[in-house]
Amino acid sequence: DIVMTQTPLSLSVTPGQPASISCKSSQSLLHSDGKTYLYWYLQKPGQSPQLLIYEVSRRFSGAPDRFSGSGSETDFTLEISRVEAEDVGFYYCMQGIRLPRTFGPGTRVDIK
Amino acid sequence: EMQLVESGGGLVQPGRSLRLSCTASGFTFGDFAMSWVRQAPGKGLEWVGFIKSEAYGGTTEYAASVKGRFSISRDDSKSIVYLQMSSLKIDDTALYYCHREPSIWGLGTMVTVSS
Repeated sequence: DIVMTQTPLSLSVTPGQPASISCKSSQSLLHSDGKTYLYWYLQKPGQSPQLLIYEVSRRFSGAPDRFSGSGSETDFTLEISRVEAEDVGFYYCMQGIRLPRTFGPGTRVDIK
Repeated sequence: EMQLVESGGGLVQPGRSLRLSCTASGFTFGDFAMSWVRQAPGKGLEWVGFIKSEAYGGTTEYAASVKGRFSISRDDSKSIVYLQMSSLKIDDTALYYCHREPSIWGLGTMVTVSS
């Protein structure tokens, strides 16, 4: 199984400041079709997960443009350019190249 | 609007069975693989299993933690995917989400396994 790790596991951010979360996979997520199947989800308190980023860096419809993703193969980063109060919650990366699907442990983001 | 609605959760004793349903709307259900993901109270997301579309054989795969106890099936005529859970354990207590990768999630249905 592909193991997904995230750092940090917790982040406290001042509104308006940037934030960054790292996700690493134990195997390359680059598919033979040329796509890299790494997703970022945000789970706000009491809500279902919502997709922010797919295929490493493609922002999903409705995701604010302060969210961006980067990386390749096994190392990935989610960046929030200016954190807002509504960004609090747990952020998860997930690999979509292989079954079983696996998620990172989650990064808790709260506001200072 | 694309939507997934789970149902069937509840309180069940260890060792018993339960069947969850997920009803889809707003998209051509039969064209898509469907997954179940669960979240134990205060914990992260855990992938449970997956069923391919009939075009890809409708085959299933499961997490090691549920293999042999859980079974996923689908009824494309009703746009429903099922999660049949048997030999339930206390550790199966979780909110169970239906998921159409990568973007559509239901609200979840809570399963509590307790005597």
